Amino acid sequence: DIRMTQTPASLSASLGESVTITCRASQDIGKSLLWFQQKTGKPPKILIYTASNLVSGISPRFSGSGSGTQFSLKISSLKPEDTANYYCCQGYSLYTFGAGTKLELK
Amino acid sequence: QVQLQQSGAELTKPGSSVKISCKASGYTFTSYDISWIKQRPGQALEWIGAINPGSGGTGYNEKFKGKATLTVDKSSSTAFMQLSSLTPEDTAVYYCATGSFDYWGQGVMVTVSS
Repeated sequence: DIRMTQTPASLSASLGESVTITCRASQDIGKSLLWFQQKTGKPPKILIYTASNLVSGISPRFSGSGSGTQFSLKISSLKPEDTANYYCCQGYSLYTFGAGTKLELK
Repeated sequence: QVQLQQSGAELTKPGSSVKISCKASGYTFTSYDISWIKQRPGQALEWIGAINPGSGGTGYNEKFKGKATLTVDKSSSTAFMQLSSLTPEDTAVYYCATGSFDYWGQGVMVTVSS
């Protein structure tokens, strides 16, 4: 099974700042990596597919990068609506989610 | 528009089984796999498995083999997940989602309690 290690578990940042969340895969997964945003009480929403492709309608303040075993999600110019949990997910061999990152705004 | 409408909340007893549904609309049901995802209160997402509605072929997370059984009814464009031998650790919200997780159901809360 492929394991996904996501860091940090939580972070706090100010409006307008940028933050980066990282995911490490236990083996090479190419670019088979998805990023999701989940707000309290709602189903997750996909942000990024194949590591760096922005889903239609998602703000360009979100960007993804990486390949192989190391991946990152960057959120620029933080807004209040970015408060959420964020998850990475590998789709190279079945699917495995990371443990999530809770983003709070100061 | 694509919609996945899940069945209502369930309250069940330990040792029992429950079958929840996910009715698809707005697209050709057999065009995309349906995945099922578990989320315990305050916890991360866990992929349970997926089913190809056209062929009925399934793939499961090893952790959920023997626990979850995925089926479909093409005539009603509905996917089902049966959970067996329920324990309190199965208390969670269960989501269905299409293909590469583009669309999600609203989630079903399953509570296992004596």
